[in-house]
Amino acid sequence: GDSVTQMEGPVTLSEEAFLTINCTYTATGYPSLFWYVQYPGEGLQLLLKATKADDKGSNKGFEATYRKETTSFHLEKGSVQVSDSAVYFCALTPLIYQKVTFGTGTKLQVIP
Amino acid sequence: NAGVTQTPKFQVLKTGQSMTLQCAQDMNHNSMYWYRQDPGMGLRLIYYSASEGTTDKGEVPNGYNVSRLNKREFSLRLESAAPSQTSVYFCASSDFGRNQPQHFGDGTRLSIL
Repeated sequence: GDSVTQMEGPVTLSEEAFLTINCTYTATGYPSLFWYVQYPGEGLQLLLKATKADDKGSNKGFEATYRKETTSFHLEKGSVQVSDSAVYFCALTPLIYQKVTFGTGTKLQVIP
Repeated sequence: NAGVTQTPKFQVLKTGQSMTLQCAQDMNHNSMYWYRQDPGMGLRLIYYSASEGTTDKGEVPNGYNVSRLNKREFSLRLESAAPSQTSVYFCASSDFGRNQPQHFGDGTRLSIL
């Protein structure tokens, strides 16, 4: 079946550091890929998405590129802020849509 | 600008009690979902409703029932609560389709003693 694997957390960075959160997936065909962010006490909200190979999703300084050859969708940001502290979830929806498969989440803590 | 509204936000139950978690969305979405979130487990799908009038089991349906009351509302019922059902429950909605993002409520934090 479909699966999403994210790097283990928590990830602790200093403000203005470069962020990478790794995400790889297993799916039949070409899924759509998403990153969601969850702030404390809230539900998940869409951060960015990419729907086909080589697409780059971007939002709020975050970027991720759909790499078919490595089945990856790594999240990056050039300079993190304290306000980016949250849990980040990678997710996919398969070609024949039924439901979303989520990774286990990666907690990011940014310290001043 | 309500989006997805879940009630209650917090609840404590005793083992064996029953309760219903309520969810309503005002975005005219066809599809609705119930998830549970546990530490280290990510999100696990309990039940979903692809459209009004249909419901299907997800990954962890045992001990739960759902009702798609109308297009806006999708409720989750625990008939006889067990400590293993202590979790944070999220409702979500979306338009149907692989490229459509899900919109989440803020969750119900449920403790079963």
